[in-house]
Amino acid sequence: GAVVSQHPSRVICKSGTSVKIECRSLDFQATTMFWYRQFPKKSLMLMATSNEGSKATYEQGVEKDKFLINHASLTLSTLTVTSAHPEDSSFYICSALVSGPAYNEQFFGPGTRLTVL
Amino acid sequence: QKEVEQDPGPLSVPEGAIVSLNCTYSNSAFQYFMWYRQYSRKGPELLMYTYSSGNKEDGRFTAQVDKSSKYISLFIRDSQPSDSATYLCAMIGSDDYKLSFGAGTTVTVRA
Repeated sequence: GAVVSQHPSRVICKSGTSVKIECRSLDFQATTMFWYRQFPKKSLMLMATSNEGSKATYEQGVEKDKFLINHASLTLSTLTVTSAHPEDSSFYICSALVSGPAYNEQFFGPGTRLTVL
Repeated sequence: QKEVEQDPGPLSVPEGAIVSLNCTYSNSAFQYFMWYRQYSRKGPELLMYTYSSGNKEDGRFTAQVDKSSKYISLFIRDSQPSDSATYLCAMIGSDDYKLSFGAGTTVTVRA
């Protein structure tokens, strides 16, 4: 199956700093990637849809100026959490979309745990 | 009302027991129904998917979909401690690209 990687897997930062998380499709090209946020013992919450070469589409309630998404190539999307605060601490997961014969399947990365002190 | 409802559990069973998980949903446009397994601090991995109503079996796992009741199930037979994880149901329409997830059920299989 398609492999998606994320880097870093874990990051701890001070309040007020910015953190960049990378999502890569390793063996395929992905025009569309997704960014999710997951709180402990909660489901995945879609934050935004990242489209290669165009602006990301954000879900309602997600601050686009706080969560900057760049999808500059067909294998890389980045999420930058700007001026991070403790409430931004969470597990961030990306996925890459592969259009299949049956349905549009998403392949998930291993996630990045962000802790803001 | 959430689009997909799933009891978060937790669910604890002895090794060898049958694990029964289920989700209900409200959107009749959903056509594909998936079950993902997520180990602690890892990304979700697809276990199996089912199209429309019916049953699908893969080894110890059986997925069932009843579109008339808007109800899906996952059964794990002969459960093993390695099955301990969070199981998320997800669903999508034919032309959609956004998945709708349930809350996930945390399962612990006791040795």
